[in-house]
Order: sequence, then structure tokens, then C-alpha cells
Amino acid sequence: SQTIHQWPATLVQPVGSPLSLECTVEGTSNPNLYWYRQAAGRGLQLLFYSVGIGQISSEVPQNLSASRPQDRQFILSSKKLLLSDSGFYLCAWSSSTGGNSPLHFGNGTRLTVT
Amino acid sequence: AQSVTQLGSHVSVSEGALVLLRCNYSSSVPPYLFWYVQYPNQGLQLLLKYTTGATLVKGINGFEAEFKKSETSFHLTKPSAHMSDAAEYFCAVTDTGRRALTFGSGTRLQVQP
Repeated sequence: SQTIHQWPATLVQPVGSPLSLECTVEGTSNPNLYWYRQAAGRGLQLLFYSVGIGQISSEVPQNLSASRPQDRQFILSSKKLLLSDSGFYLCAWSSSTGGNSPLHFGNGTRLTVT
Repeated sequence: AQSVTQLGSHVSVSEGALVLLRCNYSSSVPPYLFWYVQYPNQGLQLLLKYTTGATLVKGINGFEAEFKKSETSFHLTKPSAHMSDAAEYFCAVTDTGRRALTFGSGTRLQVQP
């Protein structure tokens, strides 16, 4: 069966420090991969998605970047964190076979920028 | 462009009462619709989905939703609420032209004993 791992679970970082969140998927090949952010009391905002190695689509301009160095690995990064980067970050995967494939989410990383 | 509106950011019901969480969508093409549940500090778990075929969709934990094209709605219901249903619920939409889901802002369900 497929599993998705996301780490760390919680992170407290000072303003201006770098960020690296990692997500890996097991049990499937060539998944679509996603990063969402959930701010307190708000819905989910799509940040990035990837349909293959090295292929990244950015949905909103921001202080973050994403990379997909391997088929089942998706990394969210920042060179210098802002206070507004605080939130709950969720990685997800879906089958690449069609638009009706549901997303499967990791357990999230709660990032607090101080 | 797609969008999802969830009416009511907070809904409170008594244990054993009917649960009704509202979702309306906007899509220029036939949509695929989903409901997810999120427990505190966890990721989202798929409850059910509508793609094609039967408009009444049954999901996990006794939840179901009905796709009504004329009303552009996909409301989530459960006949009898349990305490364990307390969580946040998200409606989401996509279509054949997109790879990512667009989510509503969520509805927090509180179940009173």
C-alpha cells in the first residue's frame, strides 16, 4: 500500500533563517506531488505541484520554492523565512492517471516563525 | 476558474442529531468533488468523492453526499452524529483539466453531548 511521510512534525525557526521540509511517498511510481499551506482559521492554499522529476508549478508568488530531485521526493524550501510563512504545511500525492484521483495527505508540519 | 464555498465556518450539533455541512461549487466544466476530514494537527483524510455516475455518494464513517448539478451543491450529511465526528471538514473541487484540488475554507463541526 502507498504511504506518505512528511517531516519534521513541528518546527520553530527565527525570521531570516532557511527552511527545508521534506516529503516522500512509498508504494507508487510517478505520483503527482503537492505542497499546500493551511494558515490558522483558513482553508488550504496550493503552493506547488509537480507532475515529474524537476517539473514544478508554482501557484502563488511567495518566499518559498519547491524541488523534486527524485520521483517520490518533494522538498519545500526557503532561503529566508518571514513571519508570514508560519502555518501548517501539508504534502500530498495523487495518482497521475487523471483529474478524478483523490489527494492523499501527509500528517503535516507545523511551522512557527518567531 | 473553480471555487468552493462552504457555508458556515462552525456548525454545532447534539450527539445523535443530523449533520449537514454545506458546499457549493463553481466550475465551468463537469466537476469532480471531494469531502475531506481533518482532525487536530493531522493531515486530511478522504471521506468520499464524486466523479461520474450515481449522484448520491457514500463514504466512510457513515457520511454521504449528494451531487446536485442544478444547485451546484455537494452537501455532506450523516444521519446521527457521534462525538468522534468532531473535526474540520473540507469540500474540494477539480476537473479533468486540472491536477490540483481547490479547497473550501472548511467547516468546524462540534458535537455536543
